[in-house]
Amino acid sequence: EDQVTQSPEALRLQEGESSSLNCSYTVSGLRGLFWYRQDPGKGPEFLFTLYSAGEEKEKERLKATLTKKESFLHITAPKPEDSATYLCAVQARNRDDKIIFGKGTRLHILP
Amino acid sequence: GAGVSQSPSNKVTEKGKDVELRCDPISGHTALYWYRQSLGQGLEFLIYFQGNSAPDKSGLPSDRFSAERTGGSVSTLTIQRTQQEDSAVYLCASSLDPLLAYSSYNEQFFGPGTRLTVL
Repeated sequence: EDQVTQSPEALRLQEGESSSLNCSYTVSGLRGLFWYRQDPGKGPEFLFTLYSAGEEKEKERLKATLTKKESFLHITAPKPEDSATYLCAVQARNRDDKIIFGKGTRLHILP
Repeated sequence: GAGVSQSPSNKVTEKGKDVELRCDPISGHTALYWYRQSLGQGLEFLIYFQGNSAPDKSGLPSDRFSAERTGGSVSTLTIQRTQQEDSAVYLCASSLDPLLAYSSYNEQFFGPGTRLTVL
């Protein structure tokens, strides 16, 4: 069964304290892995798509990496405005394009 | 349009009543998705449209849920005889063309959601 597991469920960091969020996945043929950011009361906002193991993408203080079993979202020197829930999702090649989301990691950056 | 819009933003209804939720996708996006998000939970896939057809209805929780899309644009999600467990935020997303692999066409853009409360 296709599955996405994110860890930790919640993470509190001091401003400037770098860390990583994990997304482990099990899927029969990966079409793409997505990272989204969701602020309270809003819909998810697209961050990155990764397609193959070894791929990396960066945007400001965020960098996403991908292996055959997991993806990491690295946050370097975070600021309070990076506080949000970060969602990971995978799209399987043989599942009629269904996208499966993890439950997310709630990130709180303390000033 | 500038982004995905959904209406209403909030809906409070009584148990047993029918509700209709609307989604206006980004112009030109062929794919449209409906998700449900309950408090503290991840996004639960409901249904996906490619154009006006729905190749994947596997996520609809029961036969009380139905969805349609007309003109390859606007979609409505209808919940009949609402139950308290239907209370959640219903999110809609659209993408250019999810059938194109290794491209940016399957990136989903989400609307703000409709918060449904069933009393």
